[in-house]
Amino acid sequence: DAKTTQPNSMESNEEEPVHLPCNHSTISGTDYIHWYRQLPSQGPEYVIHGLTSNVNNRMASLAIAEDRKSSTLILHRATLRDAAVYYCILPSGSARQLTFGSGTQLTVLP
Amino acid sequence: EAQVTQNPRYLITVTGKKLTVTCSQNMNHEYMSWYRQDPGLGLRQIYYSMNVEVTDKGDVPEGYKVSRKEKRNFPLILESPSPNQTSLYFCASRGLRNEQFFGPGTRLTVL
Repeated sequence: DAKTTQPNSMESNEEEPVHLPCNHSTISGTDYIHWYRQLPSQGPEYVIHGLTSNVNNRMASLAIAEDRKSSTLILHRATLRDAAVYYCILPSGSARQLTFGSGTQLTVLP
Repeated sequence: EAQVTQNPRYLITVTGKKLTVTCSQNMNHEYMSWYRQDPGLGLRQIYYSMNVEVTDKGDVPEGYKVSRKEKRNFPLILESPSPNQTSLYFCASRGLRNEQFFGPGTRLTVL
């Protein structure tokens, strides 16, 4: 199963863009890249996912490198409510299970 | 409102006293799963179910049972809880685009 590597922590100022990186150098051609986040005292929350092309939704954008060995989750204007642990995951196994790593703790400074 | 619900949200019990944590989803999802979250170990999958009457072990199934008699419900059963099962438990269901929806969590303490 392909693994992901993320920085342990990042800081951002409120109302500025945030770029959260993820390396997945052993990704296979059929692996989707999923991002989830977990706010304090809550369950994980789906953010976005993609395969090859960049993706946008109301929460974030996902930029995928051309060789697919890395991706970046982009929050266009961070708010205090975006402070959370962000997980980059490649669903794997016959049932496409999620395996959570340690993620990136994002701190948003007012 | 589309959601995954869990009950109870908090539970304190004693070793050996059987308990069930319920999970229900109203999105008609086929796939459901249970996770536990522990400090330093992150979220780990306990069991999952691909559909009614189809369940399989995740990464940490020991000490747990599940059942899937109807699509909306996926209870987690601890026949004889032990202190090492003290944890935060999350139920999830998966939509057609493979996005998972998580419940609010159940904090279990086994004394």
